[in-house]
Amino acid sequence: EAGVAQSPRYKIIEKRQSVAFWCNPISGHATLYWYQQILGQGPKLLIQFQNNGVVDDSQLPKDRFSAERLKGVDSTLKIQPAKLEDSAVYLCASSPIKGTSGAAYEQYFGPGTRLTVT
Amino acid sequence: AQSVSQHNHHVILSEAASLELGCNYSYGGTVNLFWYVQYPGQHLQLLLKYFSGDPLVKGIKGFEAEFIKSKFSFNLRKPSVQWSDTAEYFCAVNAGFQKLVFGTGTRLLVSP
Repeated sequence: EAGVAQSPRYKIIEKRQSVAFWCNPISGHATLYWYQQILGQGPKLLIQFQNNGVVDDSQLPKDRFSAERLKGVDSTLKIQPAKLEDSAVYLCASSPIKGTSGAAYEQYFGPGTRLTVT
Repeated sequence: AQSVSQHNHHVILSEAASLELGCNYSYGGTVNLFWYVQYPGQHLQLLLKYFSGDPLVKGIKGFEAEFIKSKFSFNLRKPSVQWSDTAEYFCAVNAGFQKLVFGTGTRLLVSP
């Protein structure tokens, strides 16, 4: 079974530029997550999709971050314009099961995109 | 709000030493707990999980964790670490609909 795919793996941009990240979840996984992981911290949820609908985007800085999940499969996360504090690893994860059982919380992570803003 | 505390930020051990990493959580509902591991250059992967039942859960590579409800803890243990266990370890608790909250992580360095 193929894992969660992300691209690019690394990106260096200057502040005020824009950047986009792509994620392809495991086939059949209904739930998709984008996390931001700043150096020395744990992953912080930015946005959660169930199929192509947003479940939780309460921690997404909506003035500069946007995300979409077309057709309930692939997803893109965009930052425009980028700030120095956006330097982090952006992780995509997916989950296979809907509902409230414990298994619904098990998430599978991609390799991440390391963003450096200079 | 749900939160996870991992008190050990960096741990250095020699091979064959025993390991215990602390994890305390705050959550008022039914708890699902996880330990994830990130080996150098690799992605986050699930080490073990607790949903219900036996509070002592066993995961991959000889790791285990014990859920102690009265202490709000889910500590990770391994009786004898290997150099290949060098990694960063994250504890996580469920929070809301299919949502996890992660701790800040513990970096483990095992010297040969």
